[in-house]
Amino acid sequence: AQSVTQLDSQVPVFEEAPVELRCNYSSSVSVYLFWYVQYPNQGLQLLLKYLSGSTLVESINGFEAEFNKSQTSFHLRKPSVHISDTAEYFCAVSDGSQGNLIFGKGTKLSVKP
Amino acid sequence: DAGVTQSPTHLIKTRGQQVTLRCSPKSGHDTVSWYQQALGQGPQFIFQYYEEEERQRGNFPDRFSGHQFPNYSSELNVNALLLGDSALYLCASSLGQGNTEAFFGQGTRLTVV
Repeated sequence: AQSVTQLDSQVPVFEEAPVELRCNYSSSVSVYLFWYVQYPNQGLQLLLKYLSGSTLVESINGFEAEFNKSQTSFHLRKPSVHISDTAEYFCAVSDGSQGNLIFGKGTKLSVKP
Repeated sequence: DAGVTQSPTHLIKTRGQQVTLRCSPKSGHDTVSWYQQALGQGPQFIFQYYEEEERQRGNFPDRFSGHQFPNYSSELNVNALLLGDSALYLCASSLGQGNTEAFFGQGTRLTVV
């Protein structure tokens, strides 16, 4: 069975500081990996995804994540955060063939001025 | 493109009642998945509909049922509501069963009193 662990439930950082949100997964098969962001009282928005190919994937708003198969990790990073990045971030895994997503419990990123 | 739309946005029901939630997928998508997100938790997969049939199901009781219509829209029905069914219910649409990218709606906030 697949599972996702997000090690930090809350991450407070100051504006313009770097941030890393950690995600580890377990699976016996090849996986697709995703990061979703959820703003208050809203649904989930896809931030970035790894399907195959380059292990480093980037989003349009400066986030990046690196797929590390040996460490079964897919950590999310941003070199300089903005107040507007304050949200909850969910890491998810899918084996692709089945289609259902397995989510972690989420990490609340709080960016302070 | 309206994206994934869900209705209603909020709902209050009494224990023992039945509820129906609705979802219209993103234009061009033929697969609809439903997720339950309890407060402070990540979304949990309920079931997926493709070609008007339930193709996959998560660990939810039979009180949770669904339907997909020929226009790919979908309904989630929950019978004999329990207090623990209070959650944000998210609908996600995608193209085909293999999940390379799922788009989520804003969700329906269900409160059972």
